[in-house]
Amino acid sequence: KQEVTQIPAALSVPEGENLVLNCSFTDSAIYNLQWFRQDPGKGLTSLLLIQSSQREQTSGRLNASLDKSSGRSTLYIAASQPGDSATYLCAVLVGSQGNLIFGKGTKLSVKP
Amino acid sequence: NAGVTQTPKFQVLKTGQSMTLQCAQDMNHNSMYWYRQDPGMGLRLIYYSASEGTTDKGEVPNGYNVSRLNKREFSLRLESAAPSQTSVYFCASSPNFGTGGYGYTFGSGTRLTVV
Repeated sequence: KQEVTQIPAALSVPEGENLVLNCSFTDSAIYNLQWFRQDPGKGLTSLLLIQSSQREQTSGRLNASLDKSSGRSTLYIAASQPGDSATYLCAVLVGSQGNLIFGKGTKLSVKP
Repeated sequence: NAGVTQTPKFQVLKTGQSMTLQCAQDMNHNSMYWYRQDPGMGLRLIYYSASEGTTDKGEVPNGYNVSRLNKREFSLRLESAAPSQTSVYFCASSPNFGTGGYGYTFGSGTRLTVV
């Protein structure tokens, strides 16, 4: 059974720092990996989608990498800002069932 | 705005009451999903509809039923609500089922409390 783990569970950094969020998954048979952002009391906003054949995707200050063979992905946030404070969720698409399996998230707090 | 719309946004039910959560998407997606989000548990799939006219159970289907009314709409019904069903419910859609080229789009959620 596919399991997705996100480390750390919570992270607090001063504004301006570069930071890395980690995601690991137990079964490398995935179709894609998606990073989401969730603000308190809100829905999920898709940040980046990496297909299984890709190594990384970039959007603005965000860069996500995927190493399918080792079951790992990282989300790199450059020059963090207080507006980046949110919970970041990693999810993998398991092809046989079309089911998106989620990690429990990393709660990020960026202090001014 | 294009996307996934869920109604209602908030609901309080008494144990044993029934209700239907509504979801509609206007992106012409074939596949739709219902998830629930609980503290410490993450998001878990309740039911999904790979295409219009089909529905299948996910990880936690007990106590729920679904209807894919048409290509746009996918509803979730609680027949006899229980306190264990207190949760935040998210509807999502994707262009097609089980393919890697496209991501999921989520609605803003329904916060349900069963007392």
